[in-house]
Amino acid sequence: DAKTTQPTSMDCAEGRAANLPCNHSTISGNEYVYWYRQIHSQGPQYIIHGLKNNETNEMASLIITEDRKSSTLILPHATLRDTAVYYCIAYNFNKFYFGSGTKLNVKP
Amino acid sequence: DTAVSQTPKYLVTQMGNDKSIKCEQNLGHDTMYWYKQDSKKFLKIMFSYNNKELIINETVPNRFSPKSPDKAHLNLHINSLELGDSAVYFCASSQGQRSPRYFGPGTRLTVL
Repeated sequence: DAKTTQPTSMDCAEGRAANLPCNHSTISGNEYVYWYRQIHSQGPQYIIHGLKNNETNEMASLIITEDRKSSTLILPHATLRDTAVYYCIAYNFNKFYFGSGTKLNVKP
Repeated sequence: DTAVSQTPKYLVTQMGNDKSIKCEQNLGHDTMYWYKQDSKKFLKIMFSYNNKELIINETVPNRFSPKSPDKAHLNLHINSLELGDSAVYFCASSQGQRSPRYFGPGTRLTVL
């Protein structure tokens, strides 16, 4: 599975869009990009995933670059409850590894 | 209506004891997993079961034995508990390995 790199932490003002980047420069053609988040003391929560095209659901949008070497998770209107660790995973149906993630701090 | 549930939520025990953690999912999924999250917060897969059959067994000591009585349940039994087993254990399920995984709330195991 491709390794992913994410910033250790990010801040975002409440009500603003949170843009979380992820690099996966060694991703292969059949690896999906998955995003999860973990709010303190809870189990990881699935957010969104995609292969090539941009994706949007009720929680977030996922923008994948054309060369698929990086992606951005967008939370359009961050709230205090979005404070969590966000994990970007490149997955080819083998082993699902969580890295260290990005700690997103949403501030009032 | 909890999708993936685990019991107990907290487990405190002495070194050398044997303990079990239970997991149930009501999503109708055919694949279930156990993950371990250590003090550094890294989540590592331990086991994966598909239709009650073991398909992934990471480098986990033999003291850890998963058991799947049916598709909706995957229990984790741990023998001769050691201090290093202290962690949060998460159960998860998915419909096949290609679908998103849904996680339980976790079981915080503390070995004294």
